[in-house]
Amino acid sequence: LAKTTQPISMDSYEGQEVNITCSHNNIATNDYITWYQQFPSQGPRFIIQGYKTKVTNEVASLFIPADRKSSTLSLPRVSLSDTAVYYCLVGVAVGNTPLVFGKGTRLSVIA
Amino acid sequence: ETGVTQTPRHLVMGMTNKKSLKCEQHLGHNAMYWYKQSAKKPLELMFVYSLEERVENNSVPSRFSPECPNSSHLFLHLHTLQPEDSALYLCASSPTGGQYGYTFGSGTRLTVV
Repeated sequence: LAKTTQPISMDSYEGQEVNITCSHNNIATNDYITWYQQFPSQGPRFIIQGYKTKVTNEVASLFIPADRKSSTLSLPRVSLSDTAVYYCLVGVAVGNTPLVFGKGTRLSVIA
Repeated sequence: ETGVTQTPRHLVMGMTNKKSLKCEQHLGHNAMYWYKQSAKKPLELMFVYSLEERVENNSVPSRFSPECPNSSHLFLHLHTLQPEDSALYLCASSPTGGQYGYTFGSGTRLTVV
């Protein structure tokens, strides 16, 4: 499994754009990059997944450079309700390799 | 509701008790998982079932016993637990055994006294 490194914590004010970068230097050719969000005492929730370049949905954008050794989750105009732990995971989409979570990034949004 | 339902939401049990956690999904997924999340620790993968067969057991103590009677239901049977087993136990399902499309339940908050 490709190892990922992301900041332990980040703070942001409401209304700002937040970018969380994840490093995955040994990502394999067949690996996808997936981000999950977890609120306290709840299960993680899928946010976005991508393979290369840029992916955007109603919640976030995911930027992946050409070498794919890192990725950046971008949350536009965060609100207090975006306070959560964000996990970056790298692995194959289909197969027998389950999700293994790291420590994630604890985002605190301040009013 | 995420599509994965866990019961009970909260459970307090003594070290000599036997209890079971239940997970149910009607998403048509073929793989189901148990994760454990202790305070200030990452989620730990405990058990993986793919097409109702256990495919992974990450050296979990035998006081935790999983059961997957069909592709929609997953149980975690608990007996003679220790206080350090107190944690949030999360169930998840996915279409296949890979890393795409996981849906998690809201978890069972277990306290062992």
